[in-house]
Amino acid sequence: DIQMTQSPSTLSASIGDRVTITCRASQSINKWLAWFQQKPGKAPKLLISKTSILESGVPSRFSGSGSGTEFTLTISSLQPDDLATYYCHQYNRYSWTFGQGTTVEIK
Amino acid sequence: EVHLVESGGGSVQPGGSLRLSCAASGFTFSRFAMHWIRQLPGKGLEWVSAIGTAGDTEYPDSVRGRFTISREDARNSLYLQMNSLTVGDTAIYYCVRTIAAPWSPIDHWGQGTLVTVSS
Repeated sequence: DIQMTQSPSTLSASIGDRVTITCRASQSINKWLAWFQQKPGKAPKLLISKTSILESGVPSRFSGSGSGTEFTLTISSLQPDDLATYYCHQYNRYSWTFGQGTTVEIK
Repeated sequence: EVHLVESGGGSVQPGGSLRLSCAASGFTFSRFAMHWIRQLPGKGLEWVSAIGTAGDTEYPDSVRGRFTISREDARNSLYLQMNSLTVGDTAIYYCVRTIAAPWSPIDHWGQGTLVTVSS
C-alpha cells in the first residue's frame, strides 16, 4: 500500500497567518491527491482534488500544489472557521490511503 | 442536494456480524461508484471497500474475505456486510460516492454510523 505521511500533526497559528501542511507519498501518485477538512463531530469535506483543483464553494485562501510524492496544502490567511483537522488522500490506485491528519489550532 | 444516510451501526461482540446500509438521494445513484470509508478511534481514516456501477468490487487486505460491499440500484441503496468482526473494526463507517470514472475523488460523505466491537 502507498503510505501517506503528513506533517505537522498539529499546528497552532494566529488569525491571518499563512499555514502550510505537507503530505508525502511513499511512491509516486502523479497528481491524484485530495485534501479534506474535518470539523469536530462532522464528516470530512472535500476541499481540493487532483492536487490543486479547488472544490466549488471553497474559499480561495485554500490552495494545493505538488506532484509525484510531495504535496502541500496552503491557507494563505488563516481564519477562525479554519479550525479543523486536514487529511490528504491518494486515489491513484487501490488500496486508497489517507494521511494521519493535521489539526489546526487557532492561537 | 446529495444525501447519503448510513444506518445499521451498533454494538456487537467479537466474531459477530453486522450489516450497514446507506440510503442515497439527490443524484442518479446507478451512475456513481460507491465506497465505505471508516474512521478509527483517534481519527485515522481507512478505505474499506468500493463498488463500481457494474458491481465490480475492491477491498483492502484488512477486510477482504470478511466484508462484502453490495448495491441495489432500484432502491438507491448501498450495503456493507461485515462478518468475523474484531475490536480493530471499531470505527465510524461512512458511505461516500465518486464519479464512475478512473481517478475520481470522493465528493460527498454521509454523516456516518458507529460500529463498536467489544466483549
